[in-house]
Amino acid sequence: QSVLTQPASVSGSPGQSITVSCTGTSSDIGNNNYVSWYQQYPGKAPKVIIFDVYNRPSGVSSRFSGSKSGNTASLTISDLQADDEADYYCCSFARSIEPIFGSGTKVSV
Amino acid sequence: QVTLKESGPALLKPTQTLTLTCDFSGFSLSTSGMCVSWVRQSPGKALEWLALIDWDNDKYYSASLKTRLTISKDTSRNRVVLAMTNMDPVDTATYYCARYHFTNNVFDSWGQGILVTVPS
Repeated sequence: QSVLTQPASVSGSPGQSITVSCTGTSSDIGNNNYVSWYQQYPGKAPKVIIFDVYNRPSGVSSRFSGSKSGNTASLTISDLQADDEADYYCCSFARSIEPIFGSGTKVSV
Repeated sequence: QVTLKESGPALLKPTQTLTLTCDFSGFSLSTSGMCVSWVRQSPGKALEWLALIDWDNDKYYSASLKTRLTISKDTSRNRVVLAMTNMDPVDTATYYCARYHFTNNVFDSWGQGILVTVPS
């Protein structure tokens, strides 16, 4: 199973903005607009924070935003806060139904 | 309110078959677009999608694990079951069930997960 490539770690100071990239191929990210992002705290289940590339579920802070260019999707966290320290995973799809997750990024504040 | 909860054995021996149950509430798996999926996460590793069953009883499996997986549903009991044969120590992981929306391909609700250990 192929995996979308994310940086292992990204760090920033409180109040700063950071961007987490998610690189796939023309067969997955580059082929649809079904990119989602999940936040996961240690020992907890993932939680969706972005879907359809840039949409936020109700209740998710507007400090989280998503975008896509070609085969790369990005998650931007603005006004970084201590509570944002977590693991983040992107997800997309190949031509089949099979969801593909990213390798995961540890965000440190 | 949507909730999902996984149950099953915490410990298995190599070659045994793992059977996990996902009991859910707050939605119906007979509603068009609704699906339930299984995702696992080995300790310290990334999420890995395993299987999905949709409202129409269509089933989808990870290509790499397809021969070992069987997913089924009991709509009247709001339950989805995953079976994985020939368990190995590398299958040690936390197994999550999650609601999946076919419309925009998002896992929008997750269970708490269940840690399954296969000792070597």
